[in-house]
Amino acid sequence: DTAVSQTPKYLVTQMGNDKSIKCEQNLGHDTMYWYKQDSKKFLKIMFSYNNKELIINETVPNRFSPKSPDKAHLNLHINSLELGDSAVYFCASSPTGGLTEAFFGQGTRLTVV
Amino acid sequence: EDQVTQSPEALRLQEGESSSLNCSYTVSGLRGLFWYRQDPGKGPEFLFTLYSAGEEKEKERLKATLTKKESFLHITAPKPEDSATYLCAVRKYSGGGADGLTFGKGTHLIIQP
Repeated sequence: DTAVSQTPKYLVTQMGNDKSIKCEQNLGHDTMYWYKQDSKKFLKIMFSYNNKELIINETVPNRFSPKSPDKAHLNLHINSLELGDSAVYFCASSPTGGLTEAFFGQGTRLTVV
Repeated sequence: EDQVTQSPEALRLQEGESSSLNCSYTVSGLRGLFWYRQDPGKGPEFLFTLYSAGEEKEKERLKATLTKKESFLHITAPKPEDSATYLCAVRKYSGGGADGLTFGKGTHLIIQP
């Protein structure tokens, strides 16, 4: 059983398009996150959700919007994609409001052409 | 501003040659220091959490230690399968609610047979 799963694994799209990445966790965790890993492999927090409430909204463009239909899912919607959005996006989850370790999905490699 | 600095950026060892990876951090209100392993094309895999200075944790050939300013990941008699990027991350106290991890840029470790 995959603990944190993301779809799709690869996504190639043109500039200006709108796309979504889905994430699901079956660990029963309270908190879910989206991270971005750039071309230099630097991993940076984008958002976190705790019990369906946005707790952190880092300085990311408002073209990015997380949506959580329930505690087990946190999807990432991206509008008007730009070349600079190309990166690997990781979903993660952790229990107890983020007090312990986070478990990561396999990542979605987004390429904007 | 919170900072996590890992050194060296890359390290090449012979099989069986022990060494240490360094993670120095500057964060107000540390709530945990985390070590992850990341293999190419995969998400970070959790290794250890350390919460207070003087704490040590071990897993197979890996041992993590923590002081008030830095953490070390000691690798004893490494094998080629230990080759990966090792990421250090900190979680800080934010006054309540969930907060994400701040990652270092990682140490790319290669173990040659």
